Amino acid sequence: EPEVTQTPSHQVTQMGQEVILRCVPISNHLYFYWYRQILGQKVEFLVSFYNNEISEKSEIFDDQFSVERPDGSNFTLKIRSTKLEDSAMYFCASSEVGISKNIQYFGAGTRLSVL
Amino acid sequence: QKEVEQNSGPLSVPEGAIASLNCTYSDRGSQSFFWYRQYSGKSPELIMFIYSNGDKEDGRFTAQLNKASQYVSLLIRDSQPSDSATYLCAVKTGGFKTIFGAGTRLFVKA
Repeated sequence: EPEVTQTPSHQVTQMGQEVILRCVPISNHLYFYWYRQILGQKVEFLVSFYNNEISEKSEIFDDQFSVERPDGSNFTLKIRSTKLEDSAMYFCASSEVGISKNIQYFGAGTRLSVL
Repeated sequence: QKEVEQNSGPLSVPEGAIASLNCTYSDRGSQSFFWYRQYSGKSPELIMFIYSNGDKEDGRFTAQLNKASQYVSLLIRDSQPSDSATYLCAVKTGGFKTIFGAGTRLFVKA
């Protein structure tokens, strides 16, 4: 069964460093998303991406964050200068076009630990 | 501020019983409604989605939507210990943003 793949599974970084979280969406999906979940808290929408541009973003997604689809398969989330409060699970999700576009499939997540 | 509210639980039911999970949402413009299951340390897994008022059944799961009351529910029949997890209600408005509730923890006792 096709799945969304995220790497690395765990990323440890020092405060102020840049990190790039990587995702390979399901191959025929054209909508891509990033979410985060701070330990013990709710899943929070960060950004959606379609047709090589951001379609919607939340208040959390400030200038420290950026997304990119550098090639035909990868979808990345970059945090430019990490803060302690960026420590969380980051989930990538993707969905098809058409009537199924609302159905999002999640990757296993990347645990980001900022020290 | 658009909100999705769930009772955090835990909800404890005996094996074989019906578990009833509830969710309310604040944005009347919401169009799509989802239930995800999340095991500890894992990612959300889609269980059900519903777009129209009424009931939608899939195996042991039934989703119920009442847009007038801004209320979504999930019934799990013949609950199994493997159903023990946190159940997340999620709501999508006309845009691309999906808003999640904080989740209800369900324990199914063998």
